[in-house]
Amino acid sequence: SAVISQKPSRDICQRGTSLTIQCQVDSQVTMMFWYRQQPGQSLTLIATANQGSEATYESGFVIDKFPISRPNLTFSTLTVSNMSPEDSSIYLCSVERQGARTEAFFGQGTRLTVV
Amino acid sequence: DAKTTQPNSMESNEEEPVHLPCNHSTISGTDYIHWYRQLPSQGPEYVIHGLTSNVNNRMASLAIAEDRKSSTLILHRATLRDAAVYYCILRDVRRAGGTSYGKLTFGQGTILTVHP
Repeated sequence: SAVISQKPSRDICQRGTSLTIQCQVDSQVTMMFWYRQQPGQSLTLIATANQGSEATYESGFVIDKFPISRPNLTFSTLTVSNMSPEDSSIYLCSVERQGARTEAFFGQGTRLTVV
Repeated sequence: DAKTTQPNSMESNEEEPVHLPCNHSTISGTDYIHWYRQLPSQGPEYVIHGLTSNVNNRMASLAIAEDRKSSTLILHRATLRDAAVYYCILRDVRRAGGTSYGKLTFGQGTILTVHP
């Protein structure tokens, strides 16, 4: 298994500000994934972060709004920039462990409220 | 990305079996069928996955149709702790920088309610 720690677990932020979410994994992984879960909705992939290269963003998400860092094989950050109330969501970090049983592991999420 | 279709919600009684259906008519030959569940206020957790044959683990069983266009997650004896949103996902294999990885595209899932 993989243990994923996200910080902060929740935050309330003023519109126009930025929040950086940290994701720490207890073992080295190649790919890390960032998801958004809007209230009452399913998860949507924001981007895929490969260590040593720029993140790959999904349609509808851009680097200026959601810059991602991936400085090493166990850590990543997602910044939500220039926030508006529409950014109020749960943001989740995920990694995939490949092997005999390929599965993804998710952090507990960061619950963000923008006021 | 391949898509899946699931009922919005299902209900069960405790200690009874639950069959959660999923349709994936556009599945490709290399797509693995994955099931995850999300308990309240938690991130999703892996349940089971399969390619063609039926699969069993300590949590559940996965029955895959012969044409692979549908599958059913089976909880043999539902407990209150099984109340969650269950997601049926086709794992799409991607490559980047020489590394292959799986992209998971979540649908709306099935909200399972378990009654005492």
